[in-house]
Order: sequence, then C-alpha cells, then structure tokens
Amino acid sequence: ETGVTQTPRHLVMGMTNKKSLKCEQHLGHNAMYWYKQSAKKPLELMFVYSLEERVENNSVPSRFSPECPNSSHLFLHLHTLQPEDSALYLCASSQDRALAGEQFFGPGTRLTVL
Amino acid sequence: GNSVTQMEGPVTLSEEAFLTINCTYTATGYPSLFWYVQYPGEGLQLLLKATKADDKGSNKGFEATYRKETTSFHLEKGSVQVSDSAVYFCALSDPASGGSYIPTFGRGTSLIVHP
Repeated sequence: ETGVTQTPRHLVMGMTNKKSLKCEQHLGHNAMYWYKQSAKKPLELMFVYSLEERVENNSVPSRFSPECPNSSHLFLHLHTLQPEDSALYLCASSQDRALAGEQFFGPGTRLTVL
Repeated sequence: GNSVTQMEGPVTLSEEAFLTINCTYTATGYPSLFWYVQYPGEGLQLLLKATKADDKGSNKGFEATYRKETTSFHLEKGSVQVSDSAVYFCALSDPASGGSYIPTFGRGTSLIVHP
C-alpha cells in the first residue's frame, strides 16, 4: 500500500449504531487530519493530530471521537449520528504541521446515516 | 481572518479549449498558495504550489502565478482534456494566522470537459 488509505470506502449506518472509520498513511508523516466534505459546502476541518497528540478540534460534536494510536493510524469513532452527518469523510496527512499546506488525502469514506 | 474565493462553477469547456479558474485570497501575513484537484470518487491531490510573490507553480500542463499585488492565484491550462474533468480547490497556508499552518480552502470549482 502507498499513500493514504481509508476503510471502509462506503458505510451505511443507523442513528443508533456505533462504527469506526480507519485511516492509514504509509508516508512517514507526523501530522494527520480529518475533514468532512458535504455537497454544496466548503471542506470542513474536524481534527488535527501532530505526533499523536490532538492539536485542533474545530467544535466538532462529541458523537465524533477521534483516536490516533500512532503516527501512521487515525480513527474516527462514530456513535448516535444524525442524518445531516451523511457526507464524505476525508483523512489527510502532512510531513509535519509546518507543512500543513501540502497534504496527502485518502480517497474518503462515503457515510450515509439513515 | 484568511479567506479564499473561487469562481463558481461548473465551468464547461470543449476539449483543447483554454482554461482559467480564478482564485483570490485575503490573508493576514504572507501565505503559501496551492491548487488541489479532486477527481470523481477520490480524495484531493496537490496539483501545484507557490510560496512567494511572482512564483509560478506548474504541473501536468497547469500553471498558476502568485500575484501579491492583486492577491490572486489563477489556475490556467492551455489545452484541456476530458480527463481534466474534476473539482479544483484553491487554498492558502498562512502561519501568521495565530501560528497555525492549517490551510484555508476555497469552495471548489467544478470543471467539465466535453469531447
């Protein structure tokens, strides 16, 4: 595997389910990011991790819970989501925070909440 | 605060036409500028970048010049192909904004190229 991978690519869940999105980067980067991409809306930054420490949380509801066990892996745990949370969730990485402008993105997980 | 404004799409062109996608920005300091591209069903990919005034970023036939006097970073390509159909995002990274390098993205411009 090369670059940034995300699993699953598609996920359908009910509002009472608990699921997790996984991201893995094979680039040796130190910073990782979660974004939400919804139709007709700007790209929304959700969380930033640098060297496994969360450094930004952009007022994201607590039903989204990130986890970064090491510099290569990033998870987004989901519980009691709402239909408006349906979107494409993108993971990205950069060499470090100072190079955050140059990010490498995964293909995304298309999430549908019923 | 920082902001990036892109022309609204979709931009619809015939193959081999000339492409311009406008991007202007406001920034506190002296930002680096980027263009990203998102092909259908994929994540964003960095297309090109420029880090100082008058720099020209280029890649895959695309070019953009950092114009500090007009705070612009317009994307151009001389002859588009059907395979260029995608959404293009302009972005800036400005560490003068509270020490954060996190990029500010534009809303994206959809490009559709017909054979």
